[in-house]
Amino acid sequence: QITLKESGPTLVRPTQTLTLTCTFSGFSLSDRGLGVGWIRQPPGKALEWLGLIYWDDDKRYNPSLKSRLTITKGTSKNQVVLTMTFMGPVDTATYYCAHRPRVGAHYDTWGQGTLVTVSS
Amino acid sequence: PVLTQPPSSSASPGESARLTCTLPSDINVGGYNVYWYQQKPGSPPRYLLYYFSDTDKGQGSGVPSRFSGSRDASANAGILLISGLQSEDEADYYCMIWSNNAAVFGGGTKLTVL
Repeated sequence: QITLKESGPTLVRPTQTLTLTCTFSGFSLSDRGLGVGWIRQPPGKALEWLGLIYWDDDKRYNPSLKSRLTITKGTSKNQVVLTMTFMGPVDTATYYCAHRPRVGAHYDTWGQGTLVTVSS
Repeated sequence: PVLTQPPSSSASPGESARLTCTLPSDINVGGYNVYWYQQKPGSPPRYLLYYFSDTDKGQGSGVPSRFSGSRDASANAGILLISGLQSEDEADYYCMIWSNNAAVFGGGTKLTVL
């Protein structure tokens, strides 16, 4: 059974850097073809894809946010870390991490999400 | 690319709902897998299915067969069809494609089951 869980601060000040950790179980990110993605959703709004890290450490980012985003594997083998710089109020959202399977570009299992509020 | 979904749709229990996801004119729906997700309030999205063609499609784990995908080539749109609507199908529905090494989500459709 695959599970993912996001963790990190619930409140971030404007201009600060956000760091979120996705802790997962039920799969290994060293298995060929797998990936972990990050998606966010502002309150009452649509989903927005942020980026993805593959089993081989290759990464893809949303072009409109690429300069602010970094996705890495964590120090633990079952973690992925999202870093987003220069946070502003428009970045207030629920941030999800999700499992991308070996075949297909979809996300078949999602974490519960964590709400991050950007406010002074 | 921007995927366009109608903000809302409604249908009665037992009827069918047809949700559309229109791709921009510079990309052809025939060249893409269109993925569909369902999201209920307070919950993360749930993967439903993908559709590329009648011979290349897939259902998410545990997703009932009354959820199906298709496409309308003339409208350059992916379609999610939900037959035999139930009250539990009331939710937001999002489409997604993978294009130019990035995922793109539509704006979502809120489906009301009257």
